[in-house]
Amino acid sequence: NAGVMQNPRHLVRRRGQEARLRCSPMKGHSHVYWYRQLPEEGLKFMVYLQKENIIDESGMPKERFSAEFPKEGPSILRIQQVVRGDSAAYFCASSPPSLLRERTQYFGPGTRLLVL
Amino acid sequence: AQKVTQAQTEISVVEKEDVTLDCVYETRDTTYYLFWYKQPPSGELVFLIRRNSFDEQNEISGRYSWNFQKSTSSFNFTITASQVVDSAVYFCALSASANQAGTALIFGKGTTLSVSS
Repeated sequence: NAGVMQNPRHLVRRRGQEARLRCSPMKGHSHVYWYRQLPEEGLKFMVYLQKENIIDESGMPKERFSAEFPKEGPSILRIQQVVRGDSAAYFCASSPPSLLRERTQYFGPGTRLLVL
Repeated sequence: AQKVTQAQTEISVVEKEDVTLDCVYETRDTTYYLFWYKQPPSGELVFLIRRNSFDEQNEISGRYSWNFQKSTSSFNFTITASQVVDSAVYFCALSASANQAGTALIFGKGTTLSVSS
């Protein structure tokens, strides 16, 4: 039973480029969350999505960041015009459908983004 | 406001010692969930345990045990007879807002545990 998959594991971008981070949830999971881990700051929530819907984006920076979870395919976290301050580990997590009232989020291995 | 505090930034122990990682949380919700995650040096986040606010039973899983006390808003984690492989950053997290199907996890800043041989 495959866990949460994230790719790439490591991504290097130059300032001004775009970064696309992908996340495939665990089988049977329909909820996807993105978190960012900045050095010295711990893990911070960014956005919560279900298929084709953004449910909570209260943690997303207002500019340059966007997320989607299409009907088919992985969830994508997109960062446009990256800056050095975007260098961080980005984690995706997934959880089962809400009827089960199962709130455990299972995390992927993360994508380490380095902006030069 | 909801908050998780892990006051211990770093702990160093020698193998076979017992160690307790503290977690204190704040929430006004009556229904909430508490979690512990482990982040080993390889970087992934590993789920360890979930506890809901209605279940104050302590839990033991092998060398790991958890002590949930609503009266002090604490959810502490003890590792008995620590091993070098226990070296990692441990995060405590809170999920509240009972009416929502899925909510953000609020993480503490983590405790770095170093176990030496």
